[in-house]
Amino acid sequence: NAGVTQTPKFQVLKTGQSMTLQCAQDMNHNSMYWYRQDPGMGLRLIYYSASEGTTDKGEVPNGYNVSRLNKREFSLRLESAAPSQTSVYFCASIFSTGTSTDTQYFGPGTRLTVL
Amino acid sequence: DAKTTQPTSMDCAEGRAANLPCNHSTISGNEYVYWYRQIHSQGPQYIIHGLKNNETNEMASLIITEDRKSSTLILPHATLRDTAVYYCIARRRGGADGLTFGKGTHLIIQP
Repeated sequence: NAGVTQTPKFQVLKTGQSMTLQCAQDMNHNSMYWYRQDPGMGLRLIYYSASEGTTDKGEVPNGYNVSRLNKREFSLRLESAAPSQTSVYFCASIFSTGTSTDTQYFGPGTRLTVL
Repeated sequence: DAKTTQPTSMDCAEGRAANLPCNHSTISGNEYVYWYRQIHSQGPQYIIHGLKNNETNEMASLIITEDRKSSTLILPHATLRDTAVYYCIARRRGGADGLTFGKGTHLIIQP
């Protein structure tokens, strides 16, 4: 049971390049999330997927797109990277129901630098 | 989610109890108090949560005031490995939307 895995761990891009961050979970969770964390700050929600087939914007969605590929996988795409997107990106998942108090499990993060 | 307020940083001696406060004066009746921690830029790790009763698990205890406007996370015997940023989050039960993180409290355990 690997939990939440993210690839790659590190990435350096040039301004204008594109890339996709991958996230997978093996806990049969239905909801998945992408956050970013800038230095000295708490995490901010980019997008989330409450269930397979649905996605919703979070606090800071501009410049990103997401795909919920299947129940296990949730990818984040930067179409044209900008230096302001230099950050650490965390994926998370949870088994969410209308009455649950289950907690989110986080991946180890992807450290992205845009030059 | 209700706004939470935490001190920016705290020190604690190794082996002593670390008491981390959190204010959530606007918390609503269906919002739980969750605590997470983040060790050295790793992914956040769940610690404990509660509604109105005190809670204890293998990691920590959570004390919530009777009016639910504040709470305290207690690490009973802090070790150097407990040095981390601790986040207090108010969140409604069963919500599928994301967590709202503040800046948290940077707890430094001194040898």
